Formats: sequence, structure tokens, C-alpha cells
Amino acid sequence: GAGVSQSPRYKVAKRGQDVALRCDPISGHVSLFWYQQALGQGPEFLTYFQNEAQLDKSGLPSDRFFAERPEGSVSTLKIQRTQQEDSAVYLCASSLAAGTPYEQYFGPGTRLTVT
Amino acid sequence: GQQVMQIPQYQHVQEGEDFTTYCNSSTTLSNIQWYKQRPGGHPVFLIQLVKSGEVKKQKRLTFQFGEAKKNSSLHITATQTTDVGTYFCAGPGYPGAGSYQLTFGKGTKLSVIP
Repeated sequence: GAGVSQSPRYKVAKRGQDVALRCDPISGHVSLFWYQQALGQGPEFLTYFQNEAQLDKSGLPSDRFFAERPEGSVSTLKIQRTQQEDSAVYLCASSLAAGTPYEQYFGPGTRLTVT
Repeated sequence: GQQVMQIPQYQHVQEGEDFTTYCNSSTTLSNIQWYKQRPGGHPVFLIQLVKSGEVKKQKRLTFQFGEAKKNSSLHITATQTTDVGTYFCAGPGYPGAGSYQLTFGKGTKLSVIP
């Protein structure tokens, strides 16, 4: 079956532009996570959705970051007024059940470069 | 907050040699997961350990969870070039901590010299 997909795979934005990153989780997966991965580092948690409810957004680095999952499936991570420090790979992951102690399936990521 | 530390950061081995990466947490973990990320790829789930002292094997890979549930290790026997990649451990806090975060270590990047 289809895995987690993300689009676009690559995004170049000028500093100050807004960007929107899309994640299509595996069908039927309740949990959806967004991570930020800087070069040479491990993924860092941004936010978590259980169906359409955003239960944890403690990892979002600033109020310029906003995520939504309005119908409990597709999710969008929006970054307003991008800054150079936002350059990273943004990974989306989904898992079948609620909470963290379950296998997470990662998408290929969106590589964001802010110039 | 919880921190998960991994050592070594890099490991270069000759093909056929063994490899071990270690993961240590500042807090007790309810479970620990291991992921592998190939160069240019995304993390792929390998295994989850839940019980104190648990040992699981997957072919040449052996995973251990410490008795105190604060450390874990991944051992690869007789490495092959297909083992190249970065290995991450990741752990959540105990239930009731109010967090859904999965905290990843910085990973151990394995290079295998043919």
C-alpha cells in the first residue's frame, strides 16, 4: 500500500515568504507527527495530531509556525515570514494508533531552503 | 526535558567487523524505538523495546534495553555495505507526562569500508 507522502519534496523560499508543506499520511492512521531535521541531527518534534485534534504543539519554534489537520487525514505545516534558520528537512510521520509508543512511518520529507 | 544521547557520533568499520551504538536517557523510558536512515532517505522503523532487560534480534542486529530502562544498544554482527546509514534511538516519556513527543538521539552514522 501507499506510504506517507509529502509535497513538495524541495522548496526554495526567499526570506520573508510564506510556505506551506503538505503531508498525506497512511490511510486510517490516527496519529500524525511533524518533525524538523537539521543537517547531521536527529529529527526534532514539532507537533502532534490525533485525528483532527492538535494535542501537542510544544515543539513549534515560534508563532510563525502553524499546523493543521482539519479532516483528520491530510496535514499542512505552514511557516510564515520564513527565516534562514528555518532551512531544514521537514518530516511527517504517521502511526496507526494514538500516542507515542507505536511504530511511526515517515514520509520522504520536504527540504526547505531559505535564501 | 528529556534528553536522549547516543555514542559514538560516527563509526567507520571494515566490512565484516562488528558495530555497536549506545543510547542513554536522562529519564526512565516507557519504551525505546530504533530507526535507520539511509543517506538521503527518511527514518525507517527497526524495532521497539518495552520490557526491562529485553533483548531482540533481527538477523545480524541485536537490540537491548537496559534493566533500569535508561539505556539501550544496537549491535550489528559482521557489517555489510547495506548497513550504511545513521541509526537513531528515540524514546517518549512515561505515560502521564502529558507529552506525545518522541525524542530522538543525534544518531550514529555508520560507514562501512568494503
